[in-house]
Amino acid sequence: SQQGEEDPQALSIQEGENATMNCSYKTSINNLQWYRQNSGRGLVHLILIRSNEREKHSGRLRVTLDTSKKSSSLLITASRAADTASYFCATDAGETSGSRLTFGEGTQLTVNP
Amino acid sequence: SAVISQKPSRDICQRGTSLTIQCQVDSQVTMMFWYRQQPGQSLTLIATANQGSEATYESGFVIDKFPISRPNLTFSTLTVSNMSPEDSSIYLCSVRGWGQGYNEQFFGPGTRLTVL
Repeated sequence: SQQGEEDPQALSIQEGENATMNCSYKTSINNLQWYRQNSGRGLVHLILIRSNEREKHSGRLRVTLDTSKKSSSLLITASRAADTASYFCATDAGETSGSRLTFGEGTQLTVNP
Repeated sequence: SAVISQKPSRDICQRGTSLTIQCQVDSQVTMMFWYRQQPGQSLTLIATANQGSEATYESGFVIDKFPISRPNLTFSTLTVSNMSPEDSSIYLCSVRGWGQGYNEQFFGPGTRLTVL
């Protein structure tokens, strides 16, 4: 079963605006990873944030993690039409759980030109 | 990151037949995983493919339906057996990174399966 929940399920914005997606989870984690999927293709790894980290940046991406609230957010700044995709968070509870990833339900982001 | 390829990229199959999906990685990796993504849904782990031993299956998935091979550290196959339309999904293999990227998991491009 999926332990992650993401909101919103769908987000539509204009090019240049910022997009924020949220992810909540239920159990303790070793790390949390964000992925992008374009139109039912393979997943592209965006960023990993460890449980002892609170914020991480990569280019136009900013990820935060609040382990007390069991939640994470992904911010895409200055969005582009090419950012249109589904975004998934996935939690890794560590080697004791076999390093398996548990995925959230995903957010469908549409960036309108 | 690893370069992962899958074959076939897509297929349309008849009910009752079987399809074997191949996953090839450009480096030796310890941990490989197989996921399923049903239409419009998120990813669900099918099994962890262990080199030299039987795969470890998640709840709801059984070896008779999804036999897996892992003959070496760069290759794995997943077979979808006795298919029904409910098996129509994207099947993705993934690998766990190494070195500084040890905790990261990377995915292949997926195999889109349609069962008629």
